[in-house]
Amino acid sequence: GQQLNQSPQSMFIQEGEDVSMNCTSSSIFNTWLWYKQDPGEGPVLLIALYKAGELTSNGRLTAQFGITRKDSFLNISASIPSDVGIYFCAGRGGNYQLIWGAGTKLIIKP
Amino acid sequence: NAGVTQTPKFQVLKTGQSMTLQCAQDMNHNSMYWYRQDPGMGLRLIYYSASEGTTDKGEVPNGYNVSRLNKREFSLRLESAAPSQTSVYFCASSGEKYSPLHFGNGTRLTVT
Repeated sequence: GQQLNQSPQSMFIQEGEDVSMNCTSSSIFNTWLWYKQDPGEGPVLLIALYKAGELTSNGRLTAQFGITRKDSFLNISASIPSDVGIYFCAGRGGNYQLIWGAGTKLIIKP
Repeated sequence: NAGVTQTPKFQVLKTGQSMTLQCAQDMNHNSMYWYRQDPGMGLRLIYYSASEGTTDKGEVPNGYNVSRLNKREFSLRLESAAPSQTSVYFCASSGEKYSPLHFGNGTRLTVT
């Protein structure tokens, strides 16, 4: 099935560093969603984007809907230990079904 | 506010056994979904129900059946479990079909 290309697959960062991850698609999307999944739990919505070029923040998190409608990025500023987890992007096209990225695993270096 | 509740949390089955995964939401959402999550593959849609009384196949429906019992409940049934169905299963709901999804905490299924 169709998947988004989400990168990187994993990131090892120091506490306090900024983090950036992105998703790209060959298809145009009308919606981009960013979720975070903690171990043993379901994904939780972080940010929803509905318009090309839209830039939205949620605390230390900022996400943008790419102007071509084929990509999106998520930035986390000044990372803290509770930021560890798996981050997923999801895009929605004209048939309203969500297409999911494979996830970016964020790990804090000790 | 419970949100989306899935039962059981864990299950081990032998090949050929059957079971039903239960899901209920208390947000008065119209749409409900079943996904499976396998390492490195993100989330894959098994079945969804856009509204009470309707169900449709997703990306990986083979080996599964679903029932939208009422607006609150959407169950997933494995009639004859296979090792390839070892996975984590997530139920989700959304208010309207273009709204973000809200997920339960998953059922971890192992088929031996």
